[in-house]
Amino acid sequence: DQQVKQNSPSLSVQEGRISILNCDYTNSMFDYFLWYKKYPAEGPTFLISISSIKDKNEDGRFTVFLNKSAKHLSLHIVPSQPGDSAVYFCAASYYGGSQGNLIFGKGTKLSVKP
Amino acid sequence: DAGVTQSPTHLIKTRGQQVTLRCSPKSGHDTVSWYQQALGQGPQFIFQYYEEEERQRGNFPDRFSGHQFPNYSSELNVNALLLGDSALYLCASSGKGQGKTNEKLLFGSGTQLSVL
Repeated sequence: DQQVKQNSPSLSVQEGRISILNCDYTNSMFDYFLWYKKYPAEGPTFLISISSIKDKNEDGRFTVFLNKSAKHLSLHIVPSQPGDSAVYFCAASYYGGSQGNLIFGKGTKLSVKP
Repeated sequence: DAGVTQSPTHLIKTRGQQVTLRCSPKSGHDTVSWYQQALGQGPQFIFQYYEEEERQRGNFPDRFSGHQFPNYSSELNVNALLLGDSALYLCASSGKGQGKTNEKLLFGSGTQLSVL
């Protein structure tokens, strides 16, 4: 049973517009959530994270929102740029993110059109 | 700094064979985690090594084993290969005392294993 779900395999957005990537989780014990970006032939790179004690975290063009009651988080990219085209993975962990065991979703492929 | 390096980049094996994948962590990192990413899936945690010991393990059979050396580099061994073991194997390193460990996970580019 998948504990972290990304139900949209792909998303296409026009340059300059907002990209919204969604993620749902089932395990209420998760207390730390992360987003990773992956380009072809490269490993995933850390993008942004959020602790379960917060409902929003912002870093430049990237904002992550957490709705604990709905067990849902989303990543907003504003404005989207062609260089943002990549696969985005949502991941969750226990113990405030202090352990190496991340549970990943299947990923959403974002395409930003010029 | 070369970051996390993995070798080889690609590997083809046949069913029943054994394979060893290698990982050198980023300089200054002492913890190595291994993940398996099957096609169309997210990375799945295999195990983590720290101080040459397996510290955590995911839901993988005993055919998957590992080792960490005194210089912090690591190997992933898979015995009796199955077709379903075909995947991208990712190594990630992190260092103690760097706050949120998961944020500091630095992934290598992976080894693409094909089992025929």
